[in-house]
Amino acid sequence: DTAVSQTPKYLVTQMGNDKSIKCEQNLGHDTMYWYKQDSKKFLKIMFSYNNKELIINETVPNRFSPKSPDKAHLNLHINSLELGDSAVYFCASSQELAGALNTGELFFGEGSRLTVL
Amino acid sequence: DQQVKQNSPSLSVQEGRISILNCDYTNSMFDYFLWYKKYPAEGPTFLISISSIKDKNEDGRFTVFLNKSAKHLSLHIVPSQPGDSAVYFCAASAVGGQGSQGNLIFGKGTKLSVKP
Repeated sequence: DTAVSQTPKYLVTQMGNDKSIKCEQNLGHDTMYWYKQDSKKFLKIMFSYNNKELIINETVPNRFSPKSPDKAHLNLHINSLELGDSAVYFCASSQELAGALNTGELFFGEGSRLTVL
Repeated sequence: DQQVKQNSPSLSVQEGRISILNCDYTNSMFDYFLWYKKYPAEGPTFLISISSIKDKNEDGRFTVFLNKSAKHLSLHIVPSQPGDSAVYFCAASAVGGQGSQGNLIFGKGTKLSVKP
């Protein structure tokens, strides 16, 4: 039973289109994330949500809009797709620990490879 | 500016020998370090971590060493097995920092190939 699942795994689309990637976790975690792995292989955080509230919003174009209908889901919607958006997008989740300590162990989905033509 | 650097994009090791993967960081605020392993077409999976209050953490065949003064950590795998062939990502975080939760800074990864 997949812990963090994201769909679709592959997405090929034209510039200017709007697309969404969905993510669901069945681990009961409170926090979910979107990471982007670009062509240079850097894995960078985009957003972090805790109990449906935005916690981290790195410098990401506002064409990217995360939506968390409940704490088990975090979807990523991208408007007006550009060539530079081509990347692998990873969803992840973690259990928020009490207090200030967070060991940072993330559970990742398999990734969604987006290709913008 | 890369805060976490893995300068070796690839490493090839013979089965049974030791694999040593290196990672350097620049941000002295980092106080928690993790290694993730990634197979093709899969998401990264957590492997081992170390807090800055330690200089070594061991889990079976995997040992992570931390040298804070040098801002360097390494992952040792011994003995290496063909199933260890994967991309290994080093990651760091400043646990106590505002908004640090989940804000892991990843290196570019090192592709390890263990040959039978």
